[in-house]
Amino acid sequence: DADVTQTPRNRITKTGKRIMLECSQTKGHDRMYWYRQDPGLGLRLIYYSFDVKDINKGEISDGYSVSRQAQAKFSLSLESAIPNQTALYFCATSDLGGPPDTQYFGPGTRLTVL
Amino acid sequence: AQKITQTQPGMFVQEKEAVTLDCTYDTSDQSYGLFWYKQPSSGEMIFLIYQGSYDEQNATEGRYSLNFQKARKSANLVISASQLGDSAMYFCAMRGVSGYSTLTFGKGTMLLVSP
Repeated sequence: DADVTQTPRNRITKTGKRIMLECSQTKGHDRMYWYRQDPGLGLRLIYYSFDVKDINKGEISDGYSVSRQAQAKFSLSLESAIPNQTALYFCATSDLGGPPDTQYFGPGTRLTVL
Repeated sequence: AQKITQTQPGMFVQEKEAVTLDCTYDTSDQSYGLFWYKQPSSGEMIFLIYQGSYDEQNATEGRYSLNFQKARKSANLVISASQLGDSAMYFCAMRGVSGYSTLTFGKGTMLLVSP
């Protein structure tokens, strides 16, 4: 079984709809992250959480919110989806244990907002 | 602020040859880490190799090595004996203290390996 799972893997939705992307991990890591990937722009950080009580905004948090329900679960919500939020979304985890603090990624969720 | 620059949008290499993917970085941190990830056409992000700023030796992982030149602020990925399965997008990323240990990614280099 995969260590980091994301649901759904693909989603098509309409402008204005609320949508939630979910991430679960079995790696036992404390740190979790949400990124989006747009063609030609690499990955950009949306939100991150270093433990259950810690939530931090990343580079591009506007229009998004997150919830860390447990150590193993980190959800990303789009309150009112818009077309320019069409992207590939990745969840990642890392272990607070000093360097290298390598991030391990889920398989991604491809979101299309019409 | 941290910045990663990958100047090669695309690279071509023949099977069994070596290839170098360029990465330069900018940071004011004294302690930082550099990572390379591979993204095949299936979309997942696969961790390849890590180099710490204080590591004296260049990192190696199988056919991957990282040519770390601290004074030049470069962290190039070298793939030896390229295989068809190496065709993918490659991202350089950096983690520094000033970025609260989050990763900053470059825009990536698409590598195509031909038979």
